[in-house]
Amino acid sequence: AQKVTQAQTEISVVEKEDVTLDCVYETRDTTYYLFWYKQPPSGELVFLIRRNSFDEQNEISGRYSWNFQKSTSSFNFTITASQVVDSAVYFCALSEADSNAGNMLTFGGGTRLMVKP
Amino acid sequence: NAGVTQTPKFRILKIGQSMTLQCAQDMNHNYMYWYRQDPGMGLKLIYYSVGAGITDKGEVPNGYNVSRSTTEDFPLRLELAAPSQTSVYFCASSYAGTTSGDTQYFGPGTRLTVL
Repeated sequence: AQKVTQAQTEISVVEKEDVTLDCVYETRDTTYYLFWYKQPPSGELVFLIRRNSFDEQNEISGRYSWNFQKSTSSFNFTITASQVVDSAVYFCALSEADSNAGNMLTFGGGTRLMVKP
Repeated sequence: NAGVTQTPKFRILKIGQSMTLQCAQDMNHNYMYWYRQDPGMGLKLIYYSVGAGITDKGEVPNGYNVSRSTTEDFPLRLELAAPSQTSVYFCASSYAGTTSGDTQYFGPGTRLTVL
């Protein structure tokens, strides 16, 4: 069974600090996909990134970067020089290529990030 | 493109009432999904559809029904509302399914309270 754990329920930082949000996953499938979504205070879910299990290259997009390590089953998300607008709940999610998984996108419990000015 | 739209944004129901949450997408996506998000939690899949006329249960289907008569629309029906169904409901869509790792795009959500 697939599982996603975001152990940090809440993180508070001061603007311009760097912050890393942890994501640990469990899966028996060798082909799987990992995602990060952002849920700002307005409530919608915004897609940030998708990564497949065969691509362990780290990704950087502006102030955002993602570190995927299969050896530790982790897909961590770092925000550099955080800004107040980064305040949101961030979700890590997993889907498997195995059709028996029932087209399920499994979400972690989310990490609430508060960036103070 | 409007993307995924949901109506209503908010609703209060009394115990035992029924209602339908509407979801539409204009991206010509084959797959559509309904999730619920309880306070402080991640999302859980209620039902999904792989195309018009085809639906299947997700992780938490009890108390809900769906239909998919067109590619664009995927309504979620609550029969005999219960306080345990108080939640935020999100509709999502994707061109291919999760087994292909396709990205799901979400609607703005419907906040439902059952009193």
